[in-house]
Amino acid sequence: GAVVSQHPSWVICKSGTSVKIECRSLDFQATTMFWYRQFPKQSLMLMATSNEGSKATYEQGVEKDKFLINHASLTLSTLTVTSAHPEDSSFYICSAPRTSGWEETQYFGPGTRLLVL
Amino acid sequence: GENVEQHPSTLSVQEGDSAVIKCTYSDSASNYFPWYKQELGKRPQLIIDIRSNVGEKKDQRIAVTLNKTAKHFSLHITETQPEDSAVYFCAARGGLRSYNTDKLIFGTGTRLQVFP
Repeated sequence: GAVVSQHPSWVICKSGTSVKIECRSLDFQATTMFWYRQFPKQSLMLMATSNEGSKATYEQGVEKDKFLINHASLTLSTLTVTSAHPEDSSFYICSAPRTSGWEETQYFGPGTRLLVL
Repeated sequence: GENVEQHPSTLSVQEGDSAVIKCTYSDSASNYFPWYKQELGKRPQLIIDIRSNVGEKKDQRIAVTLNKTAKHFSLHITETQPEDSAVYFCAARGGLRSYNTDKLIFGTGTRLQVFP
């Protein structure tokens, strides 16, 4: 299947600092990528849709100035958590859809575990 | 927007028994319904999916059924094994559009435990 990578896999930072997470589609191009957040024992909550060449689309309740998304190329999207606070500690997962004909399958990255002290 | 409900939240079965997880969705335009398995600390892995032009799909011990009229779909695992223990998520997605691939909306998850 298609491969999506994320970097870093885990990060610990101090409160108030910014953290950048990268999501790459390794063997296909993705004009759209999705960013999810998952708290312990909870479901995946969609944060935003990253669009190559245009602004990201944020879900209701997600602060766009706090979670900056940049879709720099057809294989790379970045999520920057600005001025991180302990409540931002979570598992952040990206996904990228791969289209084959008229069928589309979404592939997930391995996730980034963020701990804000 | 789409809303997906999933039941049960936890499910314990004996090895060899069957497990059934059910989901309902709200948006009648949704036409793609994948199921993901997530082991602790790992990424969700697609295990099976079904599209709205099909009522049932099977892959070895795993099957998914879709009832478009009732707007619900179910995951069936037969002959369960301890390695099937994980959290399972259903999801629903609308049709492809011109500029934006429609997003997946996930259910709340089911923690399946298979006892040897």
